[in-house]
Amino acid sequence: AQSVSQHNHHVILSEAASLELGCNYSYGGTVNLFWYVQYPGQHLQLLLKYFSGDPLVKGIKGFEAEFIKSKFSFNLRKPSVQWSDTAEYFCAVNAVSGAGSYQLTFGKGTKLSVIP
Amino acid sequence: DAGVIQSPRHEVTEMGQEVTLRCKPISGHDYLFWYRQTMMRGLELLIYFNNNVPIDDSGMPEDRFSAKMPNASFSTLKIQPSEPRDSAVYFCASSSGDRGSSPLHFGNGTRLTVT
Repeated sequence: AQSVSQHNHHVILSEAASLELGCNYSYGGTVNLFWYVQYPGQHLQLLLKYFSGDPLVKGIKGFEAEFIKSKFSFNLRKPSVQWSDTAEYFCAVNAVSGAGSYQLTFGKGTKLSVIP
Repeated sequence: DAGVIQSPRHEVTEMGQEVTLRCKPISGHDYLFWYRQTMMRGLELLIYFNNNVPIDDSGMPEDRFSAKMPNASFSTLKIQPSEPRDSAVYFCASSSGDRGSSPLHFGNGTRLTVT
């Protein structure tokens, strides 16, 4: 079974600092990759996704992620964080297999606190 | 588009009582998922449906949990009898499928507290 690891449980940054959140997965086949964000008290929302093509994916609110197949990684980055980025971030991996099947696995999440 | 609609938003019940959570997916989506979120275990997939048919229920904790999808616009997750360890936020999500390339759209969740 596939697994997703987010190594940082809680990251604390000052505004304008750069952000990189790690995500590694274990699955040798084709994958679709996602980052979701959950603002305090809200539901998960899609931040960005990767299916194929350019491994550098740009999402909403200035976030981007890079898929490095050789490292089984899909790290999330933002050059300059804002207080409003305070949230929990989830990496998710879907193993592409047979038609109709869906094996989406979420990481345990990384809580980001941005200090004004 | 109203998004995924879940009810109730909050549910407080006593141990042993039956709890029913409801979900209305986005119209046209053919996948529906039930997740449970806790501090200790994060997001756990309980069960998912494709075209109203349960595909994978291996995440359902035990026989006290059951889920149904009688039609394309409605699903329920039932816990009977409920226990304090069932306290969590339960999310419903839907997707248009396409072999996993479509993202999930989550509802606002139901916060369940079992005392």
